[in-house]
Amino acid sequence: EAQVTQNPRYLITVTGKKLTVTCSQNMNHEYMSWYRQDPGLGLRQIYYSMNVEVTDKGDVPEGYKVSRKEKRNFPLILESPSPNQTSLYFCASSLNRPGQGYDEQFFGPGTRLTVL
Amino acid sequence: AQSVTQLDSHVSVSEGTPVLLRCNYSSSYSPSLFWYVQHPNKGLQLLLKYTSAATLVKGINGFEAEFKKSETSFHLTKPSAHMSDAAEYFCVVSTGGYQKVTFGTGTKLQVIP
Repeated sequence: EAQVTQNPRYLITVTGKKLTVTCSQNMNHEYMSWYRQDPGLGLRQIYYSMNVEVTDKGDVPEGYKVSRKEKRNFPLILESPSPNQTSLYFCASSLNRPGQGYDEQFFGPGTRLTVL
Repeated sequence: AQSVTQLDSHVSVSEGTPVLLRCNYSSSYSPSLFWYVQHPNKGLQLLLKYTSAATLVKGINGFEAEFKKSETSFHLTKPSAHMSDAAEYFCVVSTGGYQKVTFGTGTKLQVIP
């Protein structure tokens, strides 16, 4: 089944404890992206990747890191989480990058993160 | 740069009546425009997308959207609301020259029996 998977689905952690949220897609998609969703703010793009080893900042990158060593995986890393990073996080992928056709995104199920 | 404005944060309609969810966009390039739906405690699902082939776009579950360049709008409509349409809807813009994807802040649709 074609899908985007994220793990973990739920995570409660404490301030400063490094964590990684994994994202994997099995559709050979080129473009991958991370978003955070907060009430009243919609989804905001954190980082995106146009291909292996090519990543760039979205609109809210502070406090986050990403890597794209393989085409299928795009982990989100919080080196020192803080309470303001408590949010619902979505990973997404699309076959092509924006504007090149077939650029609709497929979303993972989300990861609900609480930082105490 | 690009931006999206969803003009209503909440819309309430009676079952069987038309739905109109409004979206205005701004983009320096020819945009790709999307509508996604998120049911409570669920992920996001693509409803429809515009990519310059036709200005009236048909999506799933009877939804449509019309691209109006002169008004920079991409409003979502449905002739008759169903209880299962109750969800949050997001208008999204992306452009080839910009590489980012920008979501609107969402419109929560309530359907009253």
